[in-house]
Amino acid sequence: GQNIDQPTEMTATEGAIVQINCTYQTSGFNGLFWYQQHAGEAPTFLSYNVLDGLEEKGRFSSFLSRSKGYSYLLLKELQMKDSASYLCAVKTTDSWGKLQFGAGTQVVVTP
Amino acid sequence: EAGVTQSPTHLIKTRGQQATLRCSPISGHTSVYWYQQALGLGLQFLLWYDEGEERNRGNFPPRFSGRQFPNYSSELNVNALELEDSALYLCASSQLPYFGPGTRLTVL
Repeated sequence: GQNIDQPTEMTATEGAIVQINCTYQTSGFNGLFWYQQHAGEAPTFLSYNVLDGLEEKGRFSSFLSRSKGYSYLLLKELQMKDSASYLCAVKTTDSWGKLQFGAGTQVVVTP
Repeated sequence: EAGVTQSPTHLIKTRGQQATLRCSPISGHTSVYWYQQALGLGLQFLLWYDEGEERNRGNFPPRFSGRQFPNYSSELNVNALELEDSALYLCASSQLPYFGPGTRLTVL
């Protein structure tokens, strides 16, 4: 099986930076996804990492270290609308495309 | 290009009834993945359909079933509904999944 761990909740101030960590234990790793999910809505795809390194997309960046089984999502210049749950998900070579999700990190942005 | 669509948006049923949820994948995509997100729980993989066949299912009882039609749209059927089946049901297509808007199923 796969274990995917991420913090339950993080709080940060508007304009600040928050880093959400995700660690995973799996065999046949074949990619890691980050999603944003606002309450009552479907998850929205943010980023996909399959190779080591940093992927930057506007205010959001995602990093992957396959040797350490570790990823983080970096949210810069936080805005109130960034208050949401952030989901880390892993795909493996034997998973036929399905994803294994972490429980999600609730980010609360305060004024 | 239209995204993944799902219907209905909301569905209210009583315990013991059956629910039918529908999903249409992105045009040209042959795979449909169903996930369940119960309140306070993470997304759990339910079923995978590809080219009209069920390819894999998650750890759910047989009363969760479905099918895929020749146009690659899919139905998820939940029989003998239980209170704990209340959840957001999400559908995704392709191997880089973008989710549909979901169906909120409430079992009373």
